[in-house]
Amino acid sequence: QVQLQQSGPGLVKPSQTLSLTCAISGDSVSSNSAAWIWIRQSPLRGLEWLGRTYYRSKWYNDYAVSVKSRITIYPDTSSNQFSLQLNSVTPEDTAVYYCGRERHIAASGYTWFDPWGQGTLVTVSS
Amino acid sequence: DIQMTQSPSSLSASVGDRVTITCRASQNIGNYLNWYQQKPGKAPKLLIYAASSLQSGVTSRFSGSGSGTDFTLTISSLQREDFATYYCQQSHSTTFGGGTKVEIK
Repeated sequence: QVQLQQSGPGLVKPSQTLSLTCAISGDSVSSNSAAWIWIRQSPLRGLEWLGRTYYRSKWYNDYAVSVKSRITIYPDTSSNQFSLQLNSVTPEDTAVYYCGRERHIAASGYTWFDPWGQGTLVTVSS
Repeated sequence: DIQMTQSPSSLSASVGDRVTITCRASQNIGNYLNWYQQKPGKAPKLLIYAASSLQSGVTSRFSGSGSGTDFTLTISSLQREDFATYYCQQSHSTTFGGGTKVEIK
């Protein structure tokens, strides 16, 4: 059974960098059949996909246009985890952040998110 | 961006009721539609993927249907543990609906 365990600070000051980590058990961050995602949820924006990292003979990333200039998602293969960095945060980045695994049916293009991490409430405030 | 509109935004129902939640896409998404359940303070949980495929381990009370722009999640006989918020998600470019909160009548 795949489990994801998130860690990281719950309070970040404006203009600083938000950093969260997601530890994977029961699967590999280097899996050729999964991608590793970050999603956030806030009353203002609802559920918002932020981006993903995945390995298909080499590492790839995709990011949401809304955060593309500020975001980095990267794997740590030695620790079997992946991380989110979001730079230059503002109060609008206050949200519950979730990591997750993206699965797919090969050749069909169908994808879905399962499982999710437990969520981390990150507040951006001085 | 593909917009996902759920209706209703909330509903009240009794244990044993049949409940239907609708999700409409702003453009044709084929069967690229997933459904999630979220309980307060918890992460979303996958129920249905590819519009109608039941995720392993999920009770068969839940079913999904539809294609193109109009989709439905049905709970055949509402149980106490089903009171939650439900989200649809299109997997073409990954956007979520605004959610439907199912409350106890």
